[in-house]
Amino acid sequence: ETGVTQSPTHLIKTRGQQVTLRCSSQSGHNTVSWYQQALGQGPQFIFQYYREEENGRGNFPPRFSGLQFPNYSSELNVNALELDDSALYLCASSSGGVGDEQFFGPGTRLTVL
Amino acid sequence: GENVEQHPSTLSVQEGDSAVIKCTYSDSASNYFPWYKQELGKGPQLIIDIRSNVGEKKDQRIAVTLNKTAKHFSLHITETQPEDSAVYFCAASRGSGYALNFGKGTSLLVTP
Repeated sequence: ETGVTQSPTHLIKTRGQQVTLRCSSQSGHNTVSWYQQALGQGPQFIFQYYREEENGRGNFPPRFSGLQFPNYSSELNVNALELDDSALYLCASSSGGVGDEQFFGPGTRLTVL
Repeated sequence: GENVEQHPSTLSVQEGDSAVIKCTYSDSASNYFPWYKQELGKGPQLIIDIRSNVGEKKDQRIAVTLNKTAKHFSLHITETQPEDSAVYFCAASRGSGYALNFGKGTSLLVTP
């Protein structure tokens, strides 16, 4: 186990709704990255937060947004959900400037109907 | 941006045989190359990684090799066991603070 936790484990939403996913990073880690993993694909980078600031973003539209809190936990928010947003959403924590290793949580399975 | 290609997409071996998975990358600035194992219903688990100043790294039955000139790296699993069955992903990154760019994965099946 990595010590990275995510909630909820599963979620079903309808098109147009909004969703918030949560992640608690491993103790001592100050960086959280979010990835989207479609079925049968590798994870795709959404964005990264380092010490409460966005620190890089992948090719995702602005309706994907995030937050990082002083305890380094993080939220991923997705507005105006589309069918293609159905995926496993993974967060990974790392120690930022100390090392490169990213440790993943179990993910949140989002289904958009 | 970085493009990581991974082969094969599926691999079936008999218990005790070796398995090799190969990846290529396009960004010459990439210097960190981790491998992840993902079991059904779980998040990816880091199993081994290598940095660009090293050509080979070994951890028990798992080894990774890196050829920076050719921009390819490989995962070698020896003496495979049924519990090695999973999806394996390679990734490349420019290092700390940068995104991981993943391959599409290799589904490994080890049959008893």
